[in-house]
Amino acid sequence: GENVEQHPSTLSVQEGDSAVIKCTYSDSASNYFPWYKQELGKGPQLIIDIRSNVGEKKDQRIAVTLNKTAKHFSLHITETQPEDSAVYFCAASVWGQGGKLIFGQGTELSVKP
Amino acid sequence: DVKVTQSSRYLVKRTGEKVFLECVQDMDHENMFWYRQDPGLGLRLIYFSYDVKMKEKGDIPEGYSVSREKKERFSLILESASTNQTSMYLCASSFVVGHEQYFGPGTRLTVT
Repeated sequence: GENVEQHPSTLSVQEGDSAVIKCTYSDSASNYFPWYKQELGKGPQLIIDIRSNVGEKKDQRIAVTLNKTAKHFSLHITETQPEDSAVYFCAASVWGQGGKLIFGQGTELSVKP
Repeated sequence: DVKVTQSSRYLVKRTGEKVFLECVQDMDHENMFWYRQDPGLGLRLIYFSYDVKMKEKGDIPEGYSVSREKKERFSLILESASTNQTSMYLCASSFVVGHEQYFGPGTRLTVT
């Protein structure tokens, strides 16, 4: 079955710097890759997702890149702000075929003012 | 907005007790999920349901059961709670399995 590995487990950056979180997946059939943000005391919330027919997607300060050949995808946050501090999860699934979301282990991002 | 609510934010139970965790969603989603979240292990799927009275085991179903009598409600049951079930439990729902999931705020369960 699918396995998703996420690195790093913790990340500390200064406000204004960029942050990058990386995930690798094992099932070449996976074609949907969402990223979730979990703020303290809340459930995870989808912030951006990408399907395998594109290599990059941007939404304001966040972007996700996908390398299908290498089976890895990354979350990029630019101009980080203290409110970006949270736990981030990547996930993978096979879109449209009933495949479950398989989550990575999570990255705790801390943005220091 | 989709809303997923969980019956308790914090729960303390004793070893051997039967524990019910309730989850309700208001978006008429077909699919509902129960995860447990532990540091360094991410979100692990316990059970999911793709229709009323239908259920499927996830990756770690041992020690748990579920019930879905109505479309909007999905319950997680710990038949005899044990200390290794101390964890954060998250409920989620989605329109299609494998697509965007909407999560509740979580229940932090402590078994003593």
